[in-house]
Amino acid sequence: GEQVEQLPSILRVQERSSASINCTYENSASNYFPWYKQEPGENPKLIIDIRSNMERKQIQGLIVLLDKKAKRFSLHITDTQPADSAMYFCAASDTGYQNFYFGKGTSLTVIP
Amino acid sequence: AQTIHQWPVAEIKAVGSPLSLGCTIKGKSSPNLYWYWQATGGTLQQLFYSITVGQVESVVQLNLSASRPKDDQFILSTEKLLLSHSGFYLCAWSPTINQDTQYFGPGTRLLVL
Repeated sequence: GEQVEQLPSILRVQERSSASINCTYENSASNYFPWYKQEPGENPKLIIDIRSNMERKQIQGLIVLLDKKAKRFSLHITDTQPADSAMYFCAASDTGYQNFYFGKGTSLTVIP
Repeated sequence: AQTIHQWPVAEIKAVGSPLSLGCTIKGKSSPNLYWYWQATGGTLQQLFYSITVGQVESVVQLNLSASRPKDDQFILSTEKLLLSHSGFYLCAWSPTINQDTQYFGPGTRLLVL
């Protein structure tokens, strides 16, 4: 199956700075890449996603970049706030969207 | 609007006992449905998916089984729990037309003692 590597596992940033999380995948047929935010005790919430026909997508302070040649995608959170502190998971879905493979997660702490 | 419910919210079970977890989605016909398992502090591991009633595909075998008895219902079960079954069980759904976007239910916390 697909392997999704996610780094860093722990990330601490100062409030109002940027935070970046990187993921790589193996299967070149993967074509959908969602990002989820999970707060303690809660279910994961979809925050942004990107499909393979795009290289960049932005929703407010969230930016996702996709480099299909390098099989790499990344999440950038600009102007971070303490409320952004949470676990973040990247995922990749294969053709047909039946299987989803998640990274191991990044624990983000935004320091006031 | 679509709503997804999972039951029970939490459960404490003994090793060797049976388990049945449920998931229901309302407001969406013929969704794709998925079961995930998440160990405490761990990542999400997809267990099963189903695209239609009566059809379930296994992704990872953890001595669990799944069934889809109705269009809006997905059941996860086992006859004999192991300690390693402890964790957070999440049901998710995606629309069949735009099949990729997944939305997670509230989850069931399971502790096996």
